[in-house]
Amino acid sequence: EVQLVESGGGLVQPGGSLRLSCSGAGFTFSSYAMHWVRQAPGKGLEYVSAISSNGGSRYYADSVKGRFTISRDNPKNTLYLQMSSLRAEDTAVYYCVKGMWAAATTSLDYWGQGTLVTVSS
Amino acid sequence: QPVLTQSSSASASLGSSVKLTCTLSSGHSTYIIAWHQQQPGKAPRYLMKLEGSGSYNKGSGVPDRFSGSSSGADRYLTISNLQSEDEADYYCETWDSNTRVFGGGTKLTVL
Repeated sequence: EVQLVESGGGLVQPGGSLRLSCSGAGFTFSSYAMHWVRQAPGKGLEYVSAISSNGGSRYYADSVKGRFTISRDNPKNTLYLQMSSLRAEDTAVYYCVKGMWAAATTSLDYWGQGTLVTVSS
Repeated sequence: QPVLTQSSSASASLGSSVKLTCTLSSGHSTYIIAWHQQQPGKAPRYLMKLEGSGSYNKGSGVPDRFSGSSSGADRYLTISNLQSEDEADYYCETWDSNTRVFGGGTKLTVL
């Protein structure tokens, strides 16, 4: 059974930094692209970032480009999202999502439970 | 980049069928999409991938009541024999080499 467990969320002040982690199990982590998708309170889903299976290709939404960095540690089966220069509008539940194939340009097929990031003074 | 348009809400009676629509923007009518379900208070769940031909591949454990179809730029999710647990938000998603987008979601109410 595929399991994705996010951690690292919490309350941070505007302009601060936070690193999210996602631990994957039940599948060959190194064979699949991984993604971050967020959902602001009461709002819809918003794509944040993606990384190919070997980390060679990375993608970012315009809203986070230059502030967020996605990375992965395949031997540790772990995905990361380093977030800096955080703004109030980054407040959301952040979901770790598995891609269907090695390349990031394919569908998402398994979602984690999410971790809440709140940016507020 | 592609844009996905969904109705904000839909409703249907218990045991009936409902067809939700996701419309691709002009110039993107051949794109593959995916449907995701989000029950209240839960994380989203992948339902299926749906091609412009109408061919679809469902995720693990998705009931037979869920099916997909296509017509031009429209992608449909049909839920038959509606159950109370089908009351949820439904999102469509698409992607290309540059981006990934979600529709605004349809809130389905089961009466």
